[in-house]
Amino acid sequence: DTGVSQDPRHKITKRGQNVTFRCDPISEHNRLYWYRQTLGQGPEFLTYFQNEAQLEKSRLLSDRFSAERPKGSFSTLEIQRTEQGDSAMYLCASSLGTSGSRNEQFFGPGTRLTVL
Amino acid sequence: EDKVVQSPLSLVVHEGDTVTLNCSYEVTNFRSLLWYKQEKKAPTFLFMLTSSGIEKKSGRLSSILDKKELFSILNITATQTGDSAIYLCAVSGAGSYQLTFGKGTKLSVIP
Repeated sequence: DTGVSQDPRHKITKRGQNVTFRCDPISEHNRLYWYRQTLGQGPEFLTYFQNEAQLEKSRLLSDRFSAERPKGSFSTLEIQRTEQGDSAMYLCASSLGTSGSRNEQFFGPGTRLTVL
Repeated sequence: EDKVVQSPLSLVVHEGDTVTLNCSYEVTNFRSLLWYKQEKKAPTFLFMLTSSGIEKKSGRLSSILDKKELFSILNITATQTGDSAIYLCAVSGAGSYQLTFGKGTKLSVIP
């Protein structure tokens, strides 16, 4: 399977704990995105990487959230001091990203976070 | 701020019916509009539209964009129970690759 993969698929944690999620994009894609989706809502943009550079961050991304893509391949999203309001599905997507290319983003299966 | 409004929010039809889902948008320097299908998992890509009036078609699904009136429609003909899902519309503007999504239309197809 050469699609976007995410790990873990589910995470249950206690309030105040730190969590880290991993995303592996489609291999030739150099753009990688993180979104958050809550029940009854569409995905909300969090941040985006072009290769290893983090080029956009949403105002939704508080200072408890940090994302990295150290070698321009996989990415991690860390949430520190989790709060119950962080409970959501965290989606990763990737796109081809060459100059002038189209922007079809392909999504991974998501990590469902539950903060107790 | 970019905005996407989808209607209706939910829809129940019988197998074989034809449905039309609506998406209106506001975006600075429009780049593209995308449709996704979401079942109990991540969204799967359906169509990307960049030009007005050109219909994109895939099997029983088709979509068209009107950049003057700032809307798109997604048509599904001869619906099947497997079409039951949430259909999401998203837009992106020039200078940004982030997608702004609507809340989706929940389609339920009953036998």
